[in-house]
Amino acid sequence: AQKVTQAQTEISVVEKEDVTLDCVYETRDTTYYLFWYKQPPSGELVFLIRRNSFDEQNEISGRYSWNFQKSTSSFNFTITASQVVDSAVYFCALPDPDGLTFGKGTHLIIQP
Amino acid sequence: EAGVAQSPRYKIIEKRQSVAFWCNPISGHATLYWYQQILGQGPKLLIQFQNNGVVDDSQLPKDRFSAERLKGVDSTLKIQPAKLEDSAVYLCASRIAGGRSTQYFGPGTRLTVL
Repeated sequence: AQKVTQAQTEISVVEKEDVTLDCVYETRDTTYYLFWYKQPPSGELVFLIRRNSFDEQNEISGRYSWNFQKSTSSFNFTITASQVVDSAVYFCALPDPDGLTFGKGTHLIIQP
Repeated sequence: EAGVAQSPRYKIIEKRQSVAFWCNPISGHATLYWYQQILGQGPKLLIQFQNNGVVDDSQLPKDRFSAERLKGVDSTLKIQPAKLEDSAVYLCASRIAGGRSTQYFGPGTRLTVL
């Protein structure tokens, strides 16, 4: 069965520090997608990125970057120069087979 | 483009009462999902619709939960009777049909069962 592990329950950093959120997954599929979502205190899940297993190139979007390593089944997420507005719970997810299987999430706290 | 709409945003009921949640997906999205998110956990899939047909309801507690999507657009999720452990956020998501397109989520309904 599909499984997503986010071992970091909570991370607290001071504003402007870089922070990496880990995601390790297990899948029986040979091709698959991976997702990251952000859940701010308002509660809505906000889509951040979708990654195809064919493409192992790192992705950068502004202060956000993602490192996908198929060999270690990891899809880590880095925020550079963190800001208070980045405070949220971040979820990594995998289709299973069509609905998403989510990790337990990492609560990121950015202190001013 | 309007996002996924859900109502109500908050609901407080006594155990054994019934409750219903409503979801309006993004226009043109044939696939609709209901998830349950218990505090401190990731969302868990309850049911998936493709147009007005159920694709997967294997994780829906059918003795008390029901869902429908009669005209292939709006959907309702009902709990009857509610238990204390049903306290959670109920999230609706939608996506276009086909492939593994991205799911977009609504703001959720926070249910408290007393």
